[in-house]
Amino acid sequence: DVKVTQSSRYLVKRTGEKVFLECVQDMDHENMFWYRQDPGLGLRLIYFSYDVKMKEKGDIPEGYSVSREKKERFSLILESASTNQTSMYLCASSLEDSPLHFGNGTRLTVT
Amino acid sequence: AQKITQTQPGMFVQEKEAVTLDCTYDTSDPSYGLFWYKQPSSGEMIFLIYQGSYDQQNATEGRYSLNFQKARKSANLVISASQLGDSAMYFCAMREVTGNQFYFGTGTSLTVIP
Repeated sequence: DVKVTQSSRYLVKRTGEKVFLECVQDMDHENMFWYRQDPGLGLRLIYFSYDVKMKEKGDIPEGYSVSREKKERFSLILESASTNQTSMYLCASSLEDSPLHFGNGTRLTVT
Repeated sequence: AQKITQTQPGMFVQEKEAVTLDCTYDTSDPSYGLFWYKQPSSGEMIFLIYQGSYDQQNATEGRYSLNFQKARKSANLVISASQLGDSAMYFCAMREVTGNQFYFGTGTSLTVIP
């Protein structure tokens, strides 16, 4: 079974802090994704990566960056956290033609 | 333009009844895939069912079936014999072959009433 692990379930950070959200998958998937989920807005794609060191912007990349140094790990970075980045963050991975497999999510609160 | 539209923010269904959750999509790609996910209150996203754009038959997985109407660009999820455990958010999603992205709708909150 595919396992996608997000390092934190809950996170509380202060405005202006640099925040790292880590995601690891164990099934050698090429594609990895970061979404944020907000009530009434569904899931919105922040960034995705289809290979090591490759990244593509999604619909809402502003204020975020990503890093993929190894195939199994995809990190989301909030360079300077702001209160409007309080949200649920979901990491997912997939093969070329497979469904997305999601982690359990990180609920981030920025105060 | 929205790639995926779910027009029902909330739905109620009586236990053991069937329910249809609506989803319409917008794409000009000839090849694409349609997915439904369930998100219980615990937060994990559970993959339910997949329909490919070239599939001739509607997909079925146990109590879930996907009513795929290509000309109307709709991919409604039908849950038969609803159970209390079906209460959750349901998301429709599409993957276009070009671009390698998944697009999600805003979700439908389903409540099953005993």
